[in-house]
Amino acid sequence: QLQVRESGPGLVKPSQTLSVTCTVSGASIDSPGNYWTWIRQSPGKGLEWIGNIYYSGLTYSSPSLQSRLIISLDTSKNQFSLQLNSVTAADTAVYYCTRTRGADGLDVWGQGTMVTVFS
Amino acid sequence: SHELTQPPSVSVSPGQTARITCSGDALSRQYAYWFQKKAGQAPVLMISKDIERPSGIPERFSGTTSGTTVTLTISGVQAEDEADYYCHSADTGGTYWVFGGGTRLTVL
Repeated sequence: QLQVRESGPGLVKPSQTLSVTCTVSGASIDSPGNYWTWIRQSPGKGLEWIGNIYYSGLTYSSPSLQSRLIISLDTSKNQFSLQLNSVTAADTAVYYCTRTRGADGLDVWGQGTMVTVFS
Repeated sequence: SHELTQPPSVSVSPGQTARITCSGDALSRQYAYWFQKKAGQAPVLMISKDIERPSGIPERFSGTTSGTTVTLTISGVQAEDEADYYCHSADTGGTYWVFGGGTRLTVL
């Protein structure tokens, strides 16, 4: 059974880089048809799409974040990651990693990892 | 940019029917998905591709579509259905994804 699990730093200082990793188990991260996605939810706010990375490594990111964002695959560790540069308090959120297969929808979610930008 | 518009809140009594709408220009071309989000829990996919109910989702949850509006219907609402509900879709090109602002369902 496919499972994903986020791991993050907990606290990040303003202007630094936020890095969160998602470990995938139960499937190969480079199996065709899988899209790996980052979603976040800031306190008191709604869900926000961050970006996708496809099994091939192709990425798409939110226009509001793409200038600060890198999403990558590590097939040797069966993980995918996000790096968000120059963070501010507005980047404080629970970060979720998810999976969709084709057009089936985001059907597998991690429990989320809370990242607080705090000086 | 592609936006999805949901009502901020919907309230119903137990046993009644709740309807939550989501509007967006691209919905006539792109599938919509519905998620249930409870505090402290990960979102759960309730409806896929406008109208499909994933395995394990109760039959009282259904989705419909008409033009640029999709609707999540919960028939015979139960107390456990109280949650935030989000619609999700993509822009017309399918490249950029977006969530609606969310609807708080209150069971009176």
